[in-house]
Amino acid sequence: SYVLTQPPSVSVAPGQTARITCGGNNIGSKSVHWYQQKPGQAPVLVVYDDSDRPSGIPERFSGSNSGNTATLTISRVEAGDEADYYCQVWDSSSDHPVVFGTGTKVTVL
Amino acid sequence: EVQLVESGGGLVQPGGSLRLSCAASGFTFSDHYMDWVRQAPGKGLEWVGRTRNKANSYTTEYAASVKGRFTISRDDSKNSLYLQMNSLKTEDTAVYYCARGTLGYCSGGSCVYYFDYWGQGTLVTVSS
Repeated sequence: SYVLTQPPSVSVAPGQTARITCGGNNIGSKSVHWYQQKPGQAPVLVVYDDSDRPSGIPERFSGSNSGNTATLTISRVEAGDEADYYCQVWDSSSDHPVVFGTGTKVTVL
Repeated sequence: EVQLVESGGGLVQPGGSLRLSCAASGFTFSDHYMDWVRQAPGKGLEWVGRTRNKANSYTTEYAASVKGRFTISRDDSKNSLYLQMNSLKTEDTAVYYCARGTLGYCSGGSCVYYFDYWGQGTLVTVSS
């Protein structure tokens, strides 16, 4: 089945930029979605279809996808952005069509 | 306002059964695919399975880890989604979320499919 690899952790100072990568074989040919999950809460969709934002999500959250890597970028990081982040794709070639990344813990220093 | 509310979690012995429910409101339930996603304690998200909508004949798909043991069903008249879990194992211990699936365009064998709303989750503990 398709595998999505994320760094376990990313640390960033307030006001700086955090970049979270999601690696997968030819992921640039797929549509990538990103979720934010704070402790004890359900995941929240922050970016869908590589770079679109749901209503209510700040413009500070942006996404890109090319080649073997998709990236979620959080600009002007705030303390409230500290959370786990997961990427997700649909892989129609396997019997496990919905695949989540391994997750990245973002720590705001 | 879209709401998804799970119920039915609890403690069950290995080999036992449990049925989870998800009550939906605030949208046309019958139009949407609905999925179950779980998260073991301290671990990442794992897709469990999906039921398509009426237009797609309510067909279901499952992760290999639960296929043959779990069954997803829905009752559009009650705006409800269900997960029947049989032959439970200790490794099934997790918070179970229901999530609304949104299917976008498909191109070149790849589709846009994401979860735009999630329930708060219900904890299932499998232990003797």
